[in-house]
Amino acid sequence: DTAVSQTPKYLVTQMGNDKSIKCEQNLGHDTMYWYKQDSKKFLKIMFSYNNKELIINETVPNRFSPKSPDKAHLNLHINSLELGDSAVYFCASSPRTGAFNEKLFFGSGTQLSVL
Amino acid sequence: GEDVEQSLFLSVREGDSSVINCTYTDSSSTYLYWYKQEPGAGLQLLTYIFSNMDMKQDQRLTVLLNKKDKHLSLRIADTQTGDSAIYFCAETLYNQGGKLIFGQGTELSVKP
Repeated sequence: DTAVSQTPKYLVTQMGNDKSIKCEQNLGHDTMYWYKQDSKKFLKIMFSYNNKELIINETVPNRFSPKSPDKAHLNLHINSLELGDSAVYFCASSPRTGAFNEKLFFGSGTQLSVL
Repeated sequence: GEDVEQSLFLSVREGDSSVINCTYTDSSSTYLYWYKQEPGAGLQLLTYIFSNMDMKQDQRLTVLLNKKDKHLSLRIADTQTGDSAIYFCAETLYNQGGKLIFGQGTELSVKP
């Protein structure tokens, strides 16, 4: 009964390839996120969707394209992978109560290694 | 600015108290959080405090907030080896639609 599940857990690929990471939450939350965690454990928001609508889009290269087919799913597609894209990517969701109390529930991460 | 800063490492002996500190710069913070990340896992919310409070206690965890100095701390009483993890401080910014900003994490090592 995983609340936020993302696949795959590990992704090893060559530079220049296109890859996707999938995320699903069964918590009934309205808001979903993608975060990137670098090798120094620094965590930075990439995108946020509320009810399938993009609400946060940080300065991320346009090779990264999120897609939310419904509010329970938020996938991340990455084109033309580069060495610097190697990181752990976390999906998260929150109920978005509207009181700025963003309690996030995280998936277990996808470790992307670009060779 | 949006900076949230923490020291990178803390080492304690089992049974001692641990105090993890965090400073933030944005005065529009509404809620402040502590998340825990165990190896190979995602972050898990431990506790949070509203910006008009100065203390919150939850079992072995005590959060102290000094809003004047923009300083947040997490005290873990009777620290156990299972508490070894990375602890992230985070804040939501009222003037940015509630965007969550994380510190760089403090790696807590508990020695038996």
